[in-house]
Amino acid sequence: KNEVEQSPQNLTAQEGEFITINCSYSVGISALHWLQQHPGGGIVSLFMLSSGKKKHGRLIATINIQEKHSSLHITASHPRDSAVYICAVADTDKLIFGTGTRLQVFP
Amino acid sequence: DADVTQTPRNRITKTGKRIMLECSQTKGHDRMYWYRQDPGLGLRLIYYSFDVKDINKGEISDGYSVSRQAQAKFSLSLESAIPNQTALYFCATSTSRTGGTEAFFGQGTRLTVV
Repeated sequence: KNEVEQSPQNLTAQEGEFITINCSYSVGISALHWLQQHPGGGIVSLFMLSSGKKKHGRLIATINIQEKHSSLHITASHPRDSAVYICAVADTDKLIFGTGTRLQVFP
Repeated sequence: DADVTQTPRNRITKTGKRIMLECSQTKGHDRMYWYRQDPGLGLRLIYYSFDVKDINKGEISDGYSVSRQAQAKFSLSLESAIPNQTALYFCATSTSRTGGTEAFFGQGTRLTVV
């Protein structure tokens, strides 16, 4: 069993829909990252959080440390949100990555 | 200019050839990492370095070596490339000042071994 599990693996949506991507982990962590990877391959950090909730534009990330679970929400989704979203958890030295959720948003 | 720069961005090489992937950063971070990404798998750690004199193996170091030439430069070498090393490779940095929990990634190097 992977230490970081994401669901769903693939997600399609119509423009404007509310999107939720989930991440569960089984190890102790110091922080959790949500990353975005566009088709060109580059990885961009969206959020780093260790408790509560963070918001940036249409993106919201939440974490429940007791339940070892995090969610990434996209409100009013847009085709430019199409990408792979990766959850990664940080122990003291390294990151452990989920396999990613491929999101496609259609006009 | 990107904070973390990888060269080359794309490379096709033949089985048995030696190849070096380079990473440089302008963030002043002490920690640097090399990962590989394969379809359907999460990024996996190859090697990491917490300072110039510190090199550590990751979970998949066999067939790879690294060199930390300076705080800002961390190179990954494939001594004798084989086809199953075809993957997307990422360099990343972080800083011990924040407990190493932040991560900044390069744009990736797509390597194909034929």
